[in-house]
Formats: sequence, C-alpha cells, structure tokens
Amino acid sequence: GNSVTQMEGPVTLSEEAFLTINCTYTATGYPSLFWYVQYPGEGLQLLLKATKADDKGSNKGFEATYRKETTSFHLEKGSVQVSDSAVYFCALSGKTSYDKVIFGPGTSLSVIP
Amino acid sequence: GAVVSQHPSRVICKSGTSVKIECRSLDFQATTMFWYRQFPKQSLMLMATSNEGSKATYEQGVEKDKFLINHASLTLSTLTVTSAHPEDSSFYICSAAGTDGYTFGSGTRLTVV
Repeated sequence: GNSVTQMEGPVTLSEEAFLTINCTYTATGYPSLFWYVQYPGEGLQLLLKATKADDKGSNKGFEATYRKETTSFHLEKGSVQVSDSAVYFCALSGKTSYDKVIFGPGTSLSVIP
Repeated sequence: GAVVSQHPSRVICKSGTSVKIECRSLDFQATTMFWYRQFPKQSLMLMATSNEGSKATYEQGVEKDKFLINHASLTLSTLTVTSAHPEDSSFYICSAAGTDGYTFGSGTRLTVV
C-alpha cells in the first residue's frame, strides 16, 4: 500500500541555518504530495503541496520539489527562524476528494536563537 | 480560504461516558470528511472516512461501535466516543475534503479519567 517515510527527529538548528527534512514515498500511480506543519497543541496547517512530477511547492520560504524518479519530496528552507519550531509531516493522497491522506511519522524541529 | 471548525477543543470526561466531537466546514461543502487520531509525539492515524448520507468506512482495527461517525449534512460530521476509557485519551483531528484540497480542524484533546 501507499506509505510515507521521513527523517526522524528531533532536529535542532540555530537560527538562520539551512533546513532539509527528507521525505520519500511509496505509491501506485501519481499521488499528490503535501507538507503539513503542526504547532504545539494545535491542528495541522497545510504548508505546501505539489500535484505532479517536477512541480515545486513553496510557502513562507519553504520549498519542496516533487521528484518522481527518486519518489521524494524533501522540504527545504534557506534560513530558519525560531517561529519555525514545530512538527512537520510529509503526506500523500490520491487525486480525488475521496482519497485519504497518508502521513509520515513527523519530524520535530526546534530552532534556537 | 476554507475553514473547518472542530469542537470542543478540549474535553475531560469520566470513564464510561460518551463524548461527541463536531467537525464543521464553515464556507464550503464537504462530501467527504476524515477522522484521525494522534497519540503524543506520533503521527496521525486515519480512523475512518465519513461520506455524507452514507455509512462511514472504518480503517482496520478501529471499532465502529465504539467510534460512531455521523455525516448528516454536507457541512457537519460528528465523532462520538462511546463508553470512553482512559486508553481512548488522545488528540482527535478531523479533515474535510473540498475543491481546494483538504482542510484540517484544530483538533480535540480528549482526556478520560
């Protein structure tokens, strides 16, 4: 079945450091790929998404490119801030509204001043 | 953008009682809603897929008689945890599928004492 694997945390970075969180997936067909962010005690917010190969999703300085050949969707940010401290989930789904979203295990990020 | 309202945000109940959690799509119609459960420091696990006007589809291992799901309208789905026990304590999150993709509620922290 479909699944998502992402690097285990926690990840601790200094402010303004470069961030990469690796994500790979296993799926049949061409899923849509997502990154969600969860701040402490809150629900999930969509950070960015990509729906087809070579698409780049971007938002708030974060980027991820849909790589079909390596089945990857790595999250990157050039300069992290303390406010980026949260848990990040890589996820996939099918193309229809009936398709469930499958989440990776999540990566906790702490950014220290 | 699309907004999903989930209530209550926190609830404490006594063991043996039932608790109802509501999930409403405020500005769009959601034919399909999803219910997830999240244990501390873990990922989201899909419990069931709720379709308006029909029975919910439960994931393997989820007791449908314990977690009652009702999707009576295109904007409201409810999850009722029946005869709650301490092991049902968890963070429950709903998601609604709309034309712009998936929107998540802010979650409900259930504590059974």
